[in-house]
Amino acid sequence: GAGVSQTPSNKVTEKGKYVELRCDPISGHTALYWYRQSLGQGPEFLIYFQGTGAADDSGLPNDRFFAVRPEGSVSTLKIQRTERGDSAVYLCASSLTVREANEQFFGPGTRLTVL
Amino acid sequence: DAKTTQPPSMDCAEGRAANLPCNHSTISGNEYVYWYRQIHSQGPQYIIHGLKNNETNEMASLIITEDRKSSTLILPHATLRDTAVYYCIVRVGFLTNAGGTSYGKLTFGQGTILTVHP
Repeated sequence: GAGVSQTPSNKVTEKGKYVELRCDPISGHTALYWYRQSLGQGPEFLIYFQGTGAADDSGLPNDRFFAVRPEGSVSTLKIQRTERGDSAVYLCASSLTVREANEQFFGPGTRLTVL
Repeated sequence: DAKTTQPPSMDCAEGRAANLPCNHSTISGNEYVYWYRQIHSQGPQYIIHGLKNNETNEMASLIITEDRKSSTLILPHATLRDTAVYYCIVRVGFLTNAGGTSYGKLTFGQGTILTVHP
């Protein structure tokens, strides 16, 4: 079956612009996670959803970052007034539930470059 | 979540066993040990997890010491395609009512770069 998909695969934008990154989780997965990964570092947690609600958004760096999952499936990560420091690979993952035994399946990521 | 310590890099010959160590001396009783790997330009991939017993699946074996302060991931017959960054992660295993403890997220460290050579 299809895995987690993310669009676009690459996004180049200018400082100050608004961007949206999309994640399509595996069908039937109720939990969805966003991470970002800077060059040479491990992925860093941003936010996760159980269904439509954000269960933990403690990783969002500031109020320029926002994520939604209105119907409990597709999620969009929104970044306002982008800064050069936002450049990273943004990873999405999904799992059946948030139970500890469920592995997270990761998408290929969206590479965001802010010029 | 407890912190983990891994060597920054390791080498292994193709066909030999790769043994990747991880130290998690501050692990709590309700924390699981997870291993993920990340091949270049791909998202992380789940390998295995365990609580206190040794675990084995089609990809690897996980050996956890009796005091749970360290563990070893074993790839029994490494191939060139196993070259990747391997992350050892300690993760709370159940919901708490205390608040402030995040459940479900993975906290990645720097990992170990495993290079399998011919």
